[in-house]
Amino acid sequence: EVQLAESGGGLVQPGGSLRLSCAASGFTFSSYWMHWVRQVPGKRLVWVSRINSDGSSTNYADSVKGRFTISRDNAKNTLYLQMNSLRAEDTAVYYCVRDRLEGTYDALDIWGQGTMVTVSS
Amino acid sequence: EIVLTQSPGTLSLSPGERATLSCRASQSVSSSNLAWYQQKPGQAPRLLIYGASSRATGTPDRFSGSGSGTDFTLTVSRLEPEDFAVYYCHQYGSSPRTFGQGTKVEIK
Repeated sequence: EVQLAESGGGLVQPGGSLRLSCAASGFTFSSYWMHWVRQVPGKRLVWVSRINSDGSSTNYADSVKGRFTISRDNAKNTLYLQMNSLRAEDTAVYYCVRDRLEGTYDALDIWGQGTMVTVSS
Repeated sequence: EIVLTQSPGTLSLSPGERATLSCRASQSVSSSNLAWYQQKPGQAPRLLIYGASSRATGTPDRFSGSGSGTDFTLTVSRLEPEDFAVYYCHQYGSSPRTFGQGTKVEIK
């Protein structure tokens, strides 16, 4: 079964750091572009970051550029999001998501269950 | 950045009725790179439609997507009890990718 499972969320103080992980299974992880998308409960989805299949290219939303870093370890079938200088407005559920097609961009077809990040003192 | 505006905000309908959801983009969406997702409370979104009109694997044929350029529509021909949820449109042709604010389909 194709699955994504996030971990690493929790409560962190403003200015703090957190690293999210996403374990992939059931598909050839190294062939797919991957994303992080976040959502304040009850609000719209917001794209955060994207990494291509071999990790050589990344993109970020302006709101997280310079603070967040997306990376992947294809040998471990794992996607990461290093979040530094966290702010209250980063509080959200963070989803790990896969592009539908191998090796290129497309709609987001596989979503993890999400991990909650709360930034508060 | 392409802004997606969905309407209406809430749709109150009965099972068996037809639902028509709209998504309007602030600029043309390239190559119809427009998708629709369904989200139920406490769950992750689920891909329903990609490429504006292609059903994703497992999407019932009562769901259909149409449109191009700046105007897109998701239609549910006859609502089943499990279809009451929030629906989001999403453009993936331009960076940054963006989502609409959602349309809630609720039981009347």
